[in-house]
Amino acid sequence: AQKVTQAQTEISVVEKEDVTLDCVYETRDTTYYLFWYKQPPSGELVFLIRRNSFDEQNEISGRYSWNFQKSTSSFNFTITASQVVDSAVYFCALSDIFGNEKLTFGTGTRLTIIP
Amino acid sequence: EAQVTQNPRYLITVTGKKLTVTCSQNMNHEYMSWYRQDPGLGLRQIYYSMNVEVTDKGDVPEGYKVSRKEKRNFPLILESPSPNQTSLYFCATGTLGELFFGEGSRLTVL
Repeated sequence: AQKVTQAQTEISVVEKEDVTLDCVYETRDTTYYLFWYKQPPSGELVFLIRRNSFDEQNEISGRYSWNFQKSTSSFNFTITASQVVDSAVYFCALSDIFGNEKLTFGTGTRLTIIP
Repeated sequence: EAQVTQNPRYLITVTGKKLTVTCSQNMNHEYMSWYRQDPGLGLRQIYYSMNVEVTDKGDVPEGYKVSRKEKRNFPLILESPSPNQTSLYFCATGTLGELFFGEGSRLTVL
């Protein structure tokens, strides 16, 4: 069975600080996909990134970066120079080899950026 | 504009009174799914559909039914709602895990 663990329930940082959200996953598949989704206070869920298990290169998109380490089964998400608009609940998710959209989500990390 | 539309957005009902939450997408995706979100539990999949007339159980299907008669619609049916089905429900569609979610339907069962 697949499992995603986000051990950090809530994090608060002061604006402009860097913050890392942890995600640890379990799967028996050798090929799989990992995702991050954002849920701002307005409630909608927004796709941020998808990585497949063959691609361990870190990815950077503006102030966002993702560190995928297969050896530790982790897919951590870092926000650099955080802003108030980054305040949201962030979900990490895992799907199987086909990326067939049967996503298993973690329980989420609520990030609060303090102005 | 790509949209996933859920109705109703808010509903308060009583135990045992059948209800349907509708979901419609205009992106022509084959895949659709329902999730429920509860505090401390994250998002859990209820049912999903890989195509018309093809549906399958997710992780928490008990007490729910779905149907997929058309590509664009995927209604969630609660035949006899109970208080433990009080939750925030999301419909989603997409491909390769890049999901587009509806705005959510907050359901309260008294």
